[in-house]
Amino acid sequence: DQQVKQNSPSLSVQEGRISILNCDYTNSMFDYFLWYKKYPAEGPTFLISISSIKDKNEDGRFTVFLNKSAKHLSLHIVPSQPGDSAVYFCAASASNYQLIWGAGTKLIIKP
Amino acid sequence: DSGVTQTPKHLITATGQRVTLRCSPRSGDLSVYWYQQSLDQGLQFLIQYYNGEERAKGNILERFSAQQFPDLHSELNLSSLELGDSALYFCASSGPGGPNQPQHFGDGTRLSIL
Repeated sequence: DQQVKQNSPSLSVQEGRISILNCDYTNSMFDYFLWYKKYPAEGPTFLISISSIKDKNEDGRFTVFLNKSAKHLSLHIVPSQPGDSAVYFCAASASNYQLIWGAGTKLIIKP
Repeated sequence: DSGVTQTPKHLITATGQRVTLRCSPRSGDLSVYWYQQSLDQGLQFLIQYYNGEERAKGNILERFSAQQFPDLHSELNLSSLELGDSALYFCASSGPGGPNQPQHFGDGTRLSIL
């Protein structure tokens, strides 16, 4: 039972445009969501997070939106840069217990 | 550099064998997490230790065990290895706030079972 789903295995975006990565979840008890980024041959790196009491969190070029009624969150990257090419993981937790991870979306930024 | 060190980077062994993966957390971090990533899958949480004590347990097999030592480094022991145990094993560490705190990951140990 996949509680956190990233339905797009890959996404290709032109440099300078907006990248939108999506994540759906099924467990209504999830109250904290995080995005991690992973380059090949490296471990994931924390990117941005959001609590369920908010619907938006912004950090520079990265914004995460949370739609609790739809059980959906998205990560927006504006503008997209070549260094953003990586695999992006969505993760969620309930009551600060273990993180449940999505399978990841590979983002490719085209020059 | 995340500050988390995992050794070895690669491990090749045979079915039925036992291996130990080692993790040194980032300086000052008391929590250590172990994850398994199989091919094209997300990370599966195995176990968390906080300051030497087991804090949370995921879908960790009985053949797997872990511990955190007084110097805070951690070891993940995998025994009676099966082909399906081939995966990337990540260790992460964080401050005292639990898994919602940003976790700092090592570069992983790639385990290949022949």
